[in-house]
Amino acid sequence: GNSVTQMEGPVTLSEEAFLTINCTYTATGYPSLFWYVQYPGEGLQLLLKATKADDKGSNKGFEATYRKETTSFHLEKGSVQVSDSAVYFCALSFSGGSGNTGKLIFGQGTTLQVKP
Amino acid sequence: DAGVTQSPTHLIKTRGQQVTLRCSPKSGHDTVSWYQQALGQGPQFIFQYYEEEERQRGNFPDRFSGHQFPNYSSELNVNALLLGDSALYLCASSLRGYHEQYFGPGTRLTVT
Repeated sequence: GNSVTQMEGPVTLSEEAFLTINCTYTATGYPSLFWYVQYPGEGLQLLLKATKADDKGSNKGFEATYRKETTSFHLEKGSVQVSDSAVYFCALSFSGGSGNTGKLIFGQGTTLQVKP
Repeated sequence: DAGVTQSPTHLIKTRGQQVTLRCSPKSGHDTVSWYQQALGQGPQFIFQYYEEEERQRGNFPDRFSGHQFPNYSSELNVNALLLGDSALYLCASSLRGYHEQYFGPGTRLTVT
């Protein structure tokens, strides 16, 4: 079946450090890939997305590239801030055609803690 | 532009009771999906509604049911509550055919 696997956390970094959160997926077909962020006590916010192989999604200094050959979508940021502390979820979905509803399949989440 | 709203914010129920959670989608969206997020886990898809019909369902028992109204808002009902139903329930809205789903803040359900 379709699934998403993320690196286990928590990930603890100092401010201005480089961030990588690994995400790999298993899917039949060609899904769209997403990173969502969840701040404490809040719902999920879409951080970035990529809809086809080799696409790079980017937002707020975060980037992720859709790698079909390695079935990966790793999240990176060059210099993290304390305000980036949150839980990050990698997810996939299929387009709304052919009976697919676009439901999201999430990884288990990775907690990021950034210390001043 | 109002985003996705959910009510109530928190809820405490007793085992065996029934609960109804409510969701209003983002303006312009016609599709509502519900997810259950257990503590420390990623959200799990419950079901999705479009044109007032359930279009797809995840691996949840029939105790979980829903409804969508003509104004696109939606309800999630859970009957015969179990302790394991304690979770954050998230509603997400989207426009049919598009990938992006926008999430509400969630309803925290505690079953005692």
